[in-house]
Amino acid sequence: QQQVKQSPQSLIVQKGGISIINCAYENTAFDYFPWYQQFPGKGPALLIAIRPDVSEKKEGRFTISFNKSAKQFSLHIMDSQPGDSATYFCAASTYAGNNRKLIWGLGTSLAVNP
Amino acid sequence: DGGITQSPKYLFRKEGQNVTLSCEQNLNHDAMYWYRQDPGQGLRLIYYSQIVNDFQKGDIAEGYSVSREKKESFPLTVTSAQKNPTAFYLCASSRTGRLDQPQHFGDGTRLSIL
Repeated sequence: QQQVKQSPQSLIVQKGGISIINCAYENTAFDYFPWYQQFPGKGPALLIAIRPDVSEKKEGRFTISFNKSAKQFSLHIMDSQPGDSATYFCAASTYAGNNRKLIWGLGTSLAVNP
Repeated sequence: DGGITQSPKYLFRKEGQNVTLSCEQNLNHDAMYWYRQDPGQGLRLIYYSQIVNDFQKGDIAEGYSVSREKKESFPLTVTSAQKNPTAFYLCASSRTGRLDQPQHFGDGTRLSIL
């Protein structure tokens, strides 16, 4: 009930291509889904987040697609650049009740080849 | 510039020794968090604090201790009871304990065993 399953574990994309990372969850009480980006030797930073009342959110080249019935959400990086090479984490949380923590995916290491 | 400062960047622990990792924030955030990051395991919550003088155990609190005597500071002690302390430790903060707010991370402390 508390897991967030992220795939793929690693991804190699050519410059200009589309990077797609997927996450699936089980707990239907989750109602906030952020994506974090982490560069080597640094802490993660919030990239983009979505709530389940919308099916898609776009910020620049980054888009979250959300499928509530399938309990899945994904990150799309359009026109991928070498500077996007990082580890990406999806997460899920609920701010109701006593569950006061983010449930993190295991991460996807993205490499964008020049 | 506002942010989170973790120190030291690298730390070595001898057998049977307690070590303390520092985390300071000047963002005026109420909530602070400690995570442990191991390769392929994502982020695991050690402790969190939503307000000064209060903190809660996360998923892997055994062998760790914290204090929150000041709003700006949330030090983590790795005790000798933690048998496998080698990891990358990340401190984070958010404006309040609501999990639909961004968590701002420091750049981590890498702890190794001598």
